[in-house]
Amino acid sequence: DQQVKQNSPSLSVQEGRISILNCDYTNSMFDYFLWYKKYPAEGPTFLISISSIKDKNEDGRFTVFLNKSAKHLSLHIVPSQPGDSAVYFCAATSYSNYQLIWGAGTKLIIKP
Amino acid sequence: DADVTQTPRNRITKTGKRIMLECSQTKGHDRMYWYRQDPGLGLRLIYYSFDVKDINKGEISDGYSVSRQAQAKFSLSLESAIPNQTALYFCATSARGERRETQYFGPGTRLLVL
Repeated sequence: DQQVKQNSPSLSVQEGRISILNCDYTNSMFDYFLWYKKYPAEGPTFLISISSIKDKNEDGRFTVFLNKSAKHLSLHIVPSQPGDSAVYFCAATSYSNYQLIWGAGTKLIIKP
Repeated sequence: DADVTQTPRNRITKTGKRIMLECSQTKGHDRMYWYRQDPGLGLRLIYYSFDVKDINKGEISDGYSVSRQAQAKFSLSLESAIPNQTALYFCATSARGERRETQYFGPGTRLLVL
């Protein structure tokens, strides 16, 4: 059973609007969460992360929110730009485990 | 030049053949990883190495082996390829002292086993 789930395979958003990508997890031992971005023919690149001791982390246009009680995190991109079109992966890990557990990814398409 | 390179970028092979995927990095990182990605699934860890003499199995190591020839080189071998090993393979690195989860990925190798 997948421990990290991204239930939306794709998302289409108008340029300038907010993009919200969602991620759910089942393992309560996870204490660190990350978002990676992937363009075609390239490897994933680290975007932003959040520790379980926080509920929000911001970096420029990107904000990640963590709701531990709901085991849910989301990535907000404001405003969305054409260069944000990519596949976004959510990943999680626990302090005692060096492995990242990845979601299946959400393809974000920013429409001009 | 890319910090993490993978060769080949694409490979078609036949069932039963031995194949090696290579990864090199110029980032000076001590930690290296091999992942595979399948459609509809996230990345899954095959093997990881924290230094030249430290190699560990990941989530899905069966059917694979690795070699850490030097700090900068980490190879993945399929001793006898089978069709369900058709996937996109990524190598990644990270630095001790940084958050281990901040990994730097190569561009991937697309493998097709017929």
